[in-house]
Amino acid sequence: EVQLVESGGGLVQPGGSLRLSCAASGFTFSSYLMHWVRQAPGKGPVWVSRIRSDESSAMYADSVKGRFTISRDNANNTLYLQMSSLRVDDTAVYYCAREGHLTGEGFEMWGRGTMVTVSS
Amino acid sequence: SYDLTQPPSVSVSPGQTASITCSGDKLEDRYVCWYQQKPGQSPVVVIYQDAKRPSGIPERFSGSNSGNIATLTIRGTQAMDEADYYCQSWDSNTVVFGGGTTLTVL
Repeated sequence: EVQLVESGGGLVQPGGSLRLSCAASGFTFSSYLMHWVRQAPGKGPVWVSRIRSDESSAMYADSVKGRFTISRDNANNTLYLQMSSLRVDDTAVYYCAREGHLTGEGFEMWGRGTMVTVSS
Repeated sequence: SYDLTQPPSVSVSPGQTASITCSGDKLEDRYVCWYQQKPGQSPVVVIYQDAKRPSGIPERFSGSNSGNIATLTIRGTQAMDEADYYCQSWDSNTVVFGGGTTLTVL
């Protein structure tokens, strides 16, 4: 089955760290640009980060730059998001998403998301 | 940074046409995608490259992009189309989403 499954979310105190994972299956993971997108409760999606298919050239939203690190393991079909110095406003459902090969194709596949709650 | 602006809400009667706009500076120079999100579910792309429909998306969904405005049009709106809709584009290798529009079918 073609799918993305996120894991690693949970409750963490402000200033803490968390590592999210996204397991891909059913497609050639290594050939796709992958993203993390988050959605705070009752709000719209907000792009967080992306990484190219060959594990190079990561990009980040200004709000997470210097605190989050995206990476991938193409051998094990897994995308990661290492989050540190977490803040209350990082609370959200975190989705991994696959971008289509064509320019302008958008996020053609999303996982179900994993909830991250930052609270004392 | 680049901003995309959507109306917070749109209402439509069943069977009528709903139009949801997304505005941004010179938006026609960028590709726009549209996503539908129902409560408790992940977003689903309904339009990509301004006007193309992925397989499985009903023909009643269409898109356009001209000037500073992209538009998602739903013809013959059905109750099942009630959802939040988000536009999305790109800005210097980053991704931007609009704030979202809640479509109410009543």
